[in-house]
Amino acid sequence: DAKTTQPPSMDCAEGRAANLPCNHSTISGNEYVYWYRQIHSQGPQYIIHGLKNNETNEMASLIITEDRKSSTLILPHATLRDTAVYYCIGSGGSNYKLTFGKGTLLTVNP
Amino acid sequence: KAGVTQTPRYLIKTRGQQVTLSCSPISGHRSVSWYQQTPGQGLQFLFEYFSETQRNKGNFPGRFSGRQFSNSRSEMNVSTLELGDSALYLCASSPGQGADGYTFGSGTRLTVV
Repeated sequence: DAKTTQPPSMDCAEGRAANLPCNHSTISGNEYVYWYRQIHSQGPQYIIHGLKNNETNEMASLIITEDRKSSTLILPHATLRDTAVYYCIGSGGSNYKLTFGKGTLLTVNP
Repeated sequence: KAGVTQTPRYLIKTRGQQVTLSCSPISGHRSVSWYQQTPGQGLQFLFEYFSETQRNKGNFPGRFSGRQFSNSRSEMNVSTLELGDSALYLCASSPGQGADGYTFGSGTRLTVV
């Protein structure tokens, strides 16, 4: 699995966009970039994943650089309920596992 | 639709005992994975099953085992419990075909005393 690097913590004002970066310079061609988040004491929640193209769903947007060495998760209008640890994971479809790092603690402030 | 269900939610066991945790995946999902979460080690992959076959296994001692039944429900077993096995055990399910997102349950909080 690709090694990912994320800042340990970030702050964001409520209502503003939260942009969470992730470096995954060792990602291989068949590995997807996954984003999950975990609110204290709950199971991780799937947010989005992508391979090469940018992706958007009802929760967030995922921007992957052309060389695939980094990506950014965008929460367009952060709310207090978005306060959580966000994990960026590089994983191949045939690995059937997720390798979690330490993630980024995003704190959304009122 | 119903999410991933893990039972029990909380469990207290004594060192040396064994424990069995249960996971019911989302209907139609054939892949079930197990993870251990501790404050020191974070989230670590235990194993993954698809159609009753283990496809991948993490770096845990043989005391940790699992299985999957024909209805995709899964159990994991930990024998000869140690204090260090105290953790949140999470189960995740997915359709199992290639790059799918995993849906996690709320976990079982195991405390070994």
